[in-house]
Amino acid sequence: DADVTQTPRNRITKTGKRIMLECSQTKGHDRMYWYRQDPGLGLRLIYYSFDVKDINKGEISDGYSVSRQAQAKFSLSLESAIPNQTALYFCATSGMRLAGVPDTQYFGPGTRLTVL
Amino acid sequence: AQSVTQPDIHITVSEGASLELRCNYSYGATPYLFWYVQSPGQGLQLLLKYFSGDTLVQGIKGFEAEFKRSQSSFNLRKPSVHWSDAAEYFCAVGSVNFGNEKLTFGTGTRLTIIP
Repeated sequence: DADVTQTPRNRITKTGKRIMLECSQTKGHDRMYWYRQDPGLGLRLIYYSFDVKDINKGEISDGYSVSRQAQAKFSLSLESAIPNQTALYFCATSGMRLAGVPDTQYFGPGTRLTVL
Repeated sequence: AQSVTQPDIHITVSEGASLELRCNYSYGATPYLFWYVQSPGQGLQLLLKYFSGDTLVQGIKGFEAEFKRSQSSFNLRKPSVHWSDAAEYFCAVGSVNFGNEKLTFGTGTRLTIIP
């Protein structure tokens, strides 16, 4: 979905390096998410943010940090990359139709990260 | 906590044949259910969703899904598959929890279409 963009699309890095993945959206949504996809494990939530001042850990946040620079921008950082962080990373956004009701999430094209 | 099980890791179907992908969920209240499709090299795209009302939900690309509360299932169906349907399919359940609305995804089912 061109409304959600991720950069870079592919990245190869070395163990111990710090790396940042960036996500931008033009959908005007307040809610943004970072997921990791591994074969056979589906998508697992790393961090999520419901507005610029609200950041929450997901189920696998260890080794990651995030920054919500603006409503439209949500970055994921790997402080010191390790090989088992090799995965496909997705950013997603959503609005809020009703309080308490999860709405459709719109995904970016993904970033394939390889840590050597 | 909610969870989703997709029991079939990989399914192979002939072009033109019917398709059913299974999804079972675990959630204490009325769930909000989604099916997404991921084509090779692409992000996830929403196929359909169930929030309430009619338990048979129509989606894009000719897909439909039926919510069965008694079986805790939300299976995805298509009467006749096309080669372009080859992809990975994810079922997801959403929690109803104000201020903590999230989706939990299943592990996915990879669909292969043979001529």
